Amino acid sequence: GENVEQHPSTLSVQEGDSAVIKCTYSDSASNYFPWYKQELGKRPQLIIDIRSNVGEKKDQRIAVTLNKTAKHFSLHITETQPEDSAVYFCAATLYSSASKIIFGSGTRLSIRP
Amino acid sequence: EAQVTQNPRYLITVTGKKLTVTCSQNMNHEYMSWYRQDPGLGLRQIYYSMNVEVTDKGDVPEGYKVSRKEKRNFPLILESPSPNQTSLYFCASSSHEGLGSPLHFGNGTRLTVT
Repeated sequence: GENVEQHPSTLSVQEGDSAVIKCTYSDSASNYFPWYKQELGKRPQLIIDIRSNVGEKKDQRIAVTLNKTAKHFSLHITETQPEDSAVYFCAATLYSSASKIIFGSGTRLSIRP
Repeated sequence: EAQVTQNPRYLITVTGKKLTVTCSQNMNHEYMSWYRQDPGLGLRQIYYSMNVEVTDKGDVPEGYKVSRKEKRNFPLILESPSPNQTSLYFCASSSHEGLGSPLHFGNGTRLTVT
């Protein structure tokens, strides 16, 4: 069935360094790829998303890249700060008559001071 | 304020005692869904609804029921809860337009079944 693999499961980076989280999806028809951030004890919230007609999108320190041929997409966080510590989830979805959203298993990002 | 409201936030119950977790959104969204979150497994979809009276199974529907009689409400029903349904549950909604739109999550319901 459809699957989204996310790596790594945990990531620790020095404050100010960059962090990269990668996801691979199986359904080549997927056309929407959001990223959610979940702080401890809170609900997931969208931080950035990309659609299949775009290869890259950037919002301040956060960027997402999409390679449709290889079926993978990545989240890049530059100049990391303590408030970036959280669990990050990628997702892939196909908006058709049978809408379904598949999430990756999550990456726990820790920022070391 | 645009939001998804779940109740209760915390629930402890015993095996076999029917329960309902309510979910309501005030954004006039067509799409609503339920997820359970377990350590190491991410968010797994239980059921989703494309619109009123239209529901479908997600990846882990066993032991759960839903209904969508009104656009704003999407309750999750556990007819006979079991300990393996102990989890953190999230309701979410989306406007479902065009090529995709983001999910808005509720604050979650932490369920413990003993």
